[in-house]
Amino acid sequence: DAEITQSPRHKITETGRQVTLACHQTWNHNNMFWYRQDLGHGLRLIHYSYGVQDTNKGEVSDGYSVSRSNTEDLPLTLESAASSQTSVYFCASSDPSGTYEQFFGPGTRLTVL
Amino acid sequence: AQKITQTQPGMFVQEKEAVTLDCTYDTSDPSYGLFWYKQPSSGEMIFLIYQGSYDQQNATEGRYSLNFQKARKSANLVISASQLGDSAMYFCAMREGTQGGSEKLVFGKGTKLTVNP
Repeated sequence: DAEITQSPRHKITETGRQVTLACHQTWNHNNMFWYRQDLGHGLRLIHYSYGVQDTNKGEVSDGYSVSRSNTEDLPLTLESAASSQTSVYFCASSDPSGTYEQFFGPGTRLTVL
Repeated sequence: AQKITQTQPGMFVQEKEAVTLDCTYDTSDPSYGLFWYKQPSSGEMIFLIYQGSYDQQNATEGRYSLNFQKARKSANLVISASQLGDSAMYFCAMREGTQGGSEKLVFGKGTKLTVNP
């Protein structure tokens, strides 16, 4: 069955370190998204991609970057982790020919000390 | 201004009763889509139901229905015959437009539903 996976599921890091969160989907979807979830804020869009070599900034993109070298993967990099980036991160993908329903990964809980 | 507003931070319902979770949205685009997702305590995001702005009838999926009132810009989720397993966070979300760049979703802050036995 097709799926979307994230790794690691839990990560503890220190302020100033570079961190990369992986997202891999086997749906063959062109669209991929990264969100962060914080209490009281719901899910907020960080970056998104509509295909290979395409990346776009979302609502809360400062301090984050993504790259899309193939259809299956959209890694999220925190250039220099800050305590304000402690959050739960969700990756999602969607098929633009459908209803735009997004399929979500299981999430990564990141703690920045 | 918030594009998606969920005014109920928490809701309680008795098992087997129906419950309505409120969602209002703000957009000037005539083409949009509205979604509801469920997030149980385990953390995963589960798609429940979708309503397109041009759909003539309210969407239904099993015990879930979407009460779509276009003029009022509301898209309330109705859960019939609540079950203990319905206890979760519920998020309303909107996609604007149908052209390139419209696949993004904007989420509300969520409503925590508790089903009491």
